[in-house]
Amino acid sequence: NAGVTQTPKFQVLKTGQSMTLQCAQDMNHEYMSWYRQDPGMGLRLIHYSVGAGITDQGEVPNGYNVSRSTTEDFPLRLLSAAPSQTSVYFCASSYSLATGGDGYTFGSGTRLTVV
Amino acid sequence: QQPVQSPQAVILREGEDAVINCSSSKALYSVHWYRQKHGEAPVFLMILLKGGEQKGHDKISASFNEKKQQSSLYLTASQLSYSGTYFCGTEGQSGGGADGLTFGKGTHLIIQP
Repeated sequence: NAGVTQTPKFQVLKTGQSMTLQCAQDMNHEYMSWYRQDPGMGLRLIHYSVGAGITDQGEVPNGYNVSRSTTEDFPLRLLSAAPSQTSVYFCASSYSLATGGDGYTFGSGTRLTVV
Repeated sequence: QQPVQSPQAVILREGEDAVINCSSSKALYSVHWYRQKHGEAPVFLMILLKGGEQKGHDKISASFNEKKQQSSLYLTASQLSYSGTYFCGTEGQSGGGADGLTFGKGTHLIIQP
C-alpha cells in the first residue's frame, strides 16, 4: 500500500496563476480532507469529503475548490494564487471516524510558495 | 473553534515525564492526538471517543474528560524519539467525520539527552 500520495512535493507559483494539488489514497478510505499548515497556526481545515460526490467547506475555504469524483482522488484547486496561500498543504484520509477507527493518515505534504 | 493546547513548548531531559493538555469550548465527539517531526507529516497516535475513556500504548497514554471537554496526553519516561510537535484534533458532537477535524496550534516537545 502506498497510503496517501501527494504531488507535487514543491511548487512555486506566480500571483494569479492557478494549479491543482493532487491527492490519492489506495486504502479505500471514505473520508478525505485538505489542511494548510502555517507557522504558529497549526493545521487548518480547507475542505473535506465524507465520500465520493460529497464535499464541504472547512475553516479556510476561500480561494480553493475541491471535487471528489472517485473514492481514491481528492484534488485541491487554487483558482488564482495569492502570496497569502504560501503554505504547506497536507491531504489526509480516514476509513471512518464514526467508530474511532485509526485516525487520519497524512500525505507527505506539498510546499507551495506564491511570489 | 480551534482547541487550546498547553503548554506551547516544553523541554525535558530524557526519562522525565510530560503532560500536554487540550481544551475545547464546544461539545466533543472525539479527540485525536498526533505527533509531527520537523519537515514530516503528522502521525496518528490515538483517538478517544466521548465517554471519558483513557487509552495508551507503550509509554504514551491519553485521557478524555467529556464533561470538561478536555483531553490530556501523558508521555512517561520520555525518550529522544518523542521529540516533535504534538497536535490535538477535535471532532464536534455530530461525530462520524461530519464536521471535519479541528486542530490546536501544537505543543513543541524537546527531549534532551
